[in-house]
Amino acid sequence: GAGVSQTPSNKVTEKGKYVELRCDPISGHTALYWYRQSLGQGPEFLIYFQGTGAADDSGLPNDRFFAVRPEGSVSTLKIQRTERGDSAVYLCAILPGPRGDTQYFGPGTRLTVL
Amino acid sequence: QKEVEQDPGPLSVPEGAIVSLNCTYSNSAFQYFMWYRQYSRKGPELLMYTYSSGNKEDGRFTAQVDKSSKYISLFIRDSQPSDSATYLCAMSARRKDDKIIFGKGTRLHILP
Repeated sequence: GAGVSQTPSNKVTEKGKYVELRCDPISGHTALYWYRQSLGQGPEFLIYFQGTGAADDSGLPNDRFFAVRPEGSVSTLKIQRTERGDSAVYLCAILPGPRGDTQYFGPGTRLTVL
Repeated sequence: QKEVEQDPGPLSVPEGAIVSLNCTYSNSAFQYFMWYRQYSRKGPELLMYTYSSGNKEDGRFTAQVDKSSKYISLFIRDSQPSDSATYLCAMSARRKDDKIIFGKGTRLHILP
């Protein structure tokens, strides 16, 4: 989406490695969300930031997953000791979107853990 | 039971037909209902956004929400091959400060 860029677009890593996925909203948005979409499934909520703080991290599956947004703009999702089950598309969303109504999604990062 | 149920399809219809997609949900707290379209290897794109019950129309697309039955629908008129995509229903309890709960998505193929 034009309002959100995510890097890298694809990431292939080996089991046990550490990865960082980046979300960069093009213009300032207070609210930022991370979702994970596994093959054949809808996106599942991971964490939500209001400004710099995590307002809701109830969707993080375990303590290998961590996200930060130190300056209230760019956010990084960090995954330690990756497992094959972590393979998915990781989506970032911002609020408000261009239509000012609901969450607006970026193109996602496709993570493959071998 | 999942909070949002959606038949994954695939659904194949001929070009020009009316398409009907639907979802059921279990959480009566949901107030905001959305339909997203997702093309292969792209992020979800918002199509329709509805608050509470009722109908909303936008061009060839009509969204319906029946909160009493916990059932939402998306209708596509005069379907085009370019409408071939995965359609995700989604909902939340609040407009802001709330996660969105998605259905699995329905894969739609419009046959030329």
